[in-house]
Amino acid sequence: AQSVAQPEDQVNVAEGNPLTVKCTYSVSGNPYLFWYVQYPNRGLQFLLKYITGDNLVKGSYGFEAEFNKSQTSFHLKKPSALVSDSALYFCAVRAVRRDDKIIFGKGTRLHILP
Amino acid sequence: DGGITQSPKYLFRKEGQNVTLSCEQNLNHDAMYWYRQDPGQGLRLIYYSQIVNDFQKGDIAEGYSVSREKKESFPLTVTSAQKNPTAFYLCASSTPGRGYTFGSGTRLTVV
Repeated sequence: AQSVAQPEDQVNVAEGNPLTVKCTYSVSGNPYLFWYVQYPNRGLQFLLKYITGDNLVKGSYGFEAEFNKSQTSFHLKKPSALVSDSALYFCAVRAVRRDDKIIFGKGTRLHILP
Repeated sequence: DGGITQSPKYLFRKEGQNVTLSCEQNLNHDAMYWYRQDPGQGLRLIYYSQIVNDFQKGDIAEGYSVSREKKESFPLTVTSAQKNPTAFYLCASSTPGRGYTFGSGTRLTVV
């Protein structure tokens, strides 16, 4: 069965420091991987995705993620955190199969400290 | 602009009352989904539909019902059988091989 794990419920980072939000996945076959961000009382917004190609994917708001097949990971990164990056981040995986559903992780709350 | 519209943004339900949450999309997406979000529990799938006039139960379908009479619309009814309906409800749509587009959510509260 496919699954996504976000091992940290919360990550605290000082403004200006680099940030990493971790994600590991389990899926049969080649995965489609996604990161979404959610601000309070809002829907999820798409940040970036990995389908195929370069392992380093660049997305919105200066975020990037690195696909590591051997470690089955897809960690979200940003070189310099902003206070406005504080939000809830979801990693998600989609296996290429008939029902084509996306499985979401439980989310990691990112706090950027001024 | 294309997107998904959920209404209302806030909804209050009395004990024993059925309520319906609206979800409309103009993205021409075939698939639509309903999720429930509770604090600390991430997203849980209630129902999904991959094509008009067809839908499947997700992980927590009990106490909920849906219909998919039009491609653009996927309303969710929270019935009186759902004993703990207070939550944030998110609708999403997608096209094969792509990510999901989400609505802005409906916050349902039992009063």
